[in-house]
Amino acid sequence: DIQMTQSPSTLSASVGDRVTITCRASQSISSWLAWYQQKPGKAPKLLIYKASSLESGVPSRFSGSGSGTEFTLTISSLQPDDFATYYCQQYNSYSLTFGGGTKVEIK
Amino acid sequence: QVQLVQSGAEVKKPGASVKVSCKASGYTFTSYYMHWVRQAPGQGLEWMGIINPSGGSTSYAQKFQGRVTMTRDTSTSTVYMELSSLRSEDTAVYYCARGLIAARPNGPAGYWGQGTLVTVSS
Repeated sequence: DIQMTQSPSTLSASVGDRVTITCRASQSISSWLAWYQQKPGKAPKLLIYKASSLESGVPSRFSGSGSGTEFTLTISSLQPDDFATYYCQQYNSYSLTFGGGTKVEIK
Repeated sequence: QVQLVQSGAEVKKPGASVKVSCKASGYTFTSYYMHWVRQAPGQGLEWMGIINPSGGSTSYAQKFQGRVTMTRDTSTSTVYMELSSLRSEDTAVYYCARGLIAARPNGPAGYWGQGTLVTVSS
């Protein structure tokens, strides 16, 4: 299976900060990567697919980039609603895998 | 609008089986693959497998091979996930999640159910 490694595991930031989360794949996955946001007690929400395509209704402060094995999720100006845990997921293979998650906390 | 409504919480003893349902509405049921994902308390997301509601074909994560069975009932637009030989490590919230793109098995999950807590305890 393809392994997905996210960093950092926890991130402390303030409202208005620019935040970047990294996801690395154990082998090339082209651009077959998605990012999800999850809040406590809630189901994950799709933010970005195909590495950089913004899902409908997702604020434009979220962006994704990368291809091959290295990817980033950027929040251009962190808002109070953005404090959550973020997961990457590869779908290059028929056995999908998630990264371990990055918790974005209030500094 | 797309809705996925899952069955309620379950408490099971070790060695037992559990069957979780996910009733879909708001779209053509047979056009989109359905994933199952679980999340143990305080842990990350774990993909379990996928079912094609059209023909019923399935693909399971290697970790769950032999213990998980995914089925569907097209007459009620419902998919099911049954996990057998339960152990304490299977205590988790189980989610169904619909594929974003029609007819594509390996793709992101665009819509999620509310989750079903399965607790395995003696």
